[in-house]
Amino acid sequence: GQNIDQPTEMTATEGAIVQINCTYQTSGFNGLFWYQQHAGEAPTFLSYNVLDGLEEKGRFSSFLSRSKGYSYLLLKELQMKDSASYLCALGNQGGKLIFGQGTELSVKP
Amino acid sequence: EAGVAQSPRYKIIEKRQSVAFWCNPISGHATLYWYQQILGQGPKLLIQFQNNGVVDDSQLPKDRFSAERLKGVDSTLKIQPAKLEDSAVYLCASSLMDRDYEQFFGPGTRLTVL
Repeated sequence: GQNIDQPTEMTATEGAIVQINCTYQTSGFNGLFWYQQHAGEAPTFLSYNVLDGLEEKGRFSSFLSRSKGYSYLLLKELQMKDSASYLCALGNQGGKLIFGQGTELSVKP
Repeated sequence: EAGVAQSPRYKIIEKRQSVAFWCNPISGHATLYWYQQILGQGPKLLIQFQNNGVVDDSQLPKDRFSAERLKGVDSTLKIQPAKLEDSAVYLCASSLMDRDYEQFFGPGTRLTVL
């Protein structure tokens, strides 16, 4: 099977940097995905990593280390609108995604 | 470009009743997914279609859940009979066949079973 662990909740301050970690146990996967989900809304795709290393997209970056079973999402210059749940997901053959429970991020002024 | 459409947005039923959800994916997206998201959890894949064929339905409780995508476009998900534990948001998503890593989600249907 595949298991994913993320912290349940995090709090950060507007303008700061926050790192949301994701650890996983799996025998294999194609890629590691991050989705953002605002309360009461649908998840939206943020980024994905296939190879080890850092992928940067504006204020968001995602990192993957396959050997360590570890990924993180880095959010810079936090804004109030970044308050949301951040979902880590393992991507398997054919587009099948296995999601973690999500990390609820609260951004405070 | 229109997004993934779902209806209804909300549904309240009593246990043992039946319910159906409808999804219209983004035009041109061959792959369609139905997910169940229980409060406080991540989405769980129920069934995946590619055009009108089922790719994966290993997590679908087939004794009560059924889904179809007859013409390879719209899809319906049915629960019959519903149980209390089926209370969740049912999300439909779609993707291009060669970009299945980027899934576009609809707004979901929030089901409450009393």
